[in-house]
Amino acid sequence: DAMVIQNPRYQVTQFGKPVTLSCSQTLNHNVMYWYQQKSSQAPKLLFHYYDKDFNNEADTPDNFQSRRPNTSFCFLDIRSPGLGDAAMYLCATSRDENRGTTDTQYFGPGTRLTVL
Amino acid sequence: GDSVTQMEGPVTLSEEAFLTINCTYTATGYPSLFWYVQYPGEGLQLLLKATKADDKGSNKGFEATYRKETTSFHLEKGSVQVSDSAVYFCALRDFNKFYFGSGTKLNVKP
Repeated sequence: DAMVIQNPRYQVTQFGKPVTLSCSQTLNHNVMYWYQQKSSQAPKLLFHYYDKDFNNEADTPDNFQSRRPNTSFCFLDIRSPGLGDAAMYLCATSRDENRGTTDTQYFGPGTRLTVL
Repeated sequence: GDSVTQMEGPVTLSEEAFLTINCTYTATGYPSLFWYVQYPGEGLQLLLKATKADDKGSNKGFEATYRKETTSFHLEKGSVQVSDSAVYFCALRDFNKFYFGSGTKLNVKP
């Protein structure tokens, strides 16, 4: 089945120790998104890739970076995690063939990050 | 800017009760509207969508109608089940960005 896969499902890191979360997709979608979701809150968009073009949200801290080496994979790097970065991180994909015609987003199961 | 407002939860219902979760939106253009559902410990799953005014999205007994005149997209189900217990998010798409409401937790008791 075509899907969005996130690894690991649970990640524990130490304060200040860099961590990388991974997302892969078999949908061949050209747009990939990273969201941060804290308990009982709406997902907050951190950034997205439109093909190879990186689009950062204005309020995303510099501590958060992303890489997309190919269509299928996208990584979220947190350079120096703080206690406030503990959250669920959701990856999503969509198809947009004409800039602005994106329809549905498909989400992965998320990675729950704990910072000790 | 674009935004979505949905009713605060939690909403607690008995099995077979009627469900309404209110959602209103603000958008500069002509957005597509979505309802997503999130079960504990999981990501968001698309429940239904509507892409233009007066469209009705439906899935698994849930329905929502895109009302441009009231900028609303309320979620309804005639008879809820215990398995419907989850958090429901209303969302809109404007170009290639999505905006989510804060979520409404639904608890259905047997």
